[in-house]
Amino acid sequence: GDSVTQMEGPVTLSEEAFLTINCTYTATGYPSLFWYVQYPGEGLQLLLKATKADDKGSNKGFEATYRKETTSFHLEKGSVQVSDSAVYFCALTQGSGSEKLVFGKGTKLTVNP
Amino acid sequence: DVKVTQSSRYLVKRTGEKVFLECVQDMDHENMFWYRQDPGLGLRLIYFSYDVKMKEKGDIPEGYSVSREKKERFSLILESASTNQTSMYLCASTGTSGRAREQYFGPGTRLTVT
Repeated sequence: GDSVTQMEGPVTLSEEAFLTINCTYTATGYPSLFWYVQYPGEGLQLLLKATKADDKGSNKGFEATYRKETTSFHLEKGSVQVSDSAVYFCALTQGSGSEKLVFGKGTKLTVNP
Repeated sequence: DVKVTQSSRYLVKRTGEKVFLECVQDMDHENMFWYRQDPGLGLRLIYFSYDVKMKEKGDIPEGYSVSREKKERFSLILESASTNQTSMYLCASTGTSGRAREQYFGPGTRLTVT
């Protein structure tokens, strides 16, 4: 079945450092790809998405590019802030009507001042 | 703004109790989901519903049941709570129009079974 693998955390960075969180997937067909973020004490919220190969999703300074040849959707940000401290989840959906999501296990990011 | 609300943020129950977790969404979404979130395991789908009175099992349905009598409300039921059901429970909903439809999540219910 479909699956998502993302780098294990936790990841600890200093403010203004460059962030990469790796995500690779296994899926049949052409899934849509997502990054969700969970701030402390809250539910998940969509950070960005991409629906086809070579699409780049971006939001709040974060970006990720749908790479079909490497089955990857790595999350990047050029300069992280303390407020980016959260858990990040990579996910995919086949969009078959039910919109079921398959999630990675999450990566906890802590940004220190 | 889409709003998904869950009946409780924190809940403590005893082993063997029947537990109801309620979720309500205000966007007229067809699809609703229940997940549990555990450290190191990420989110796992328990059940989902694609219409009123319709439901399908997710990846870990054992020990749970669901009810969807109205479009806006999706309930998760633990028939006889056990300690291994101590977890964070997240509800989500999504519509059926457009492509790559976003799931909207509630704030979660942290359930402790003692």
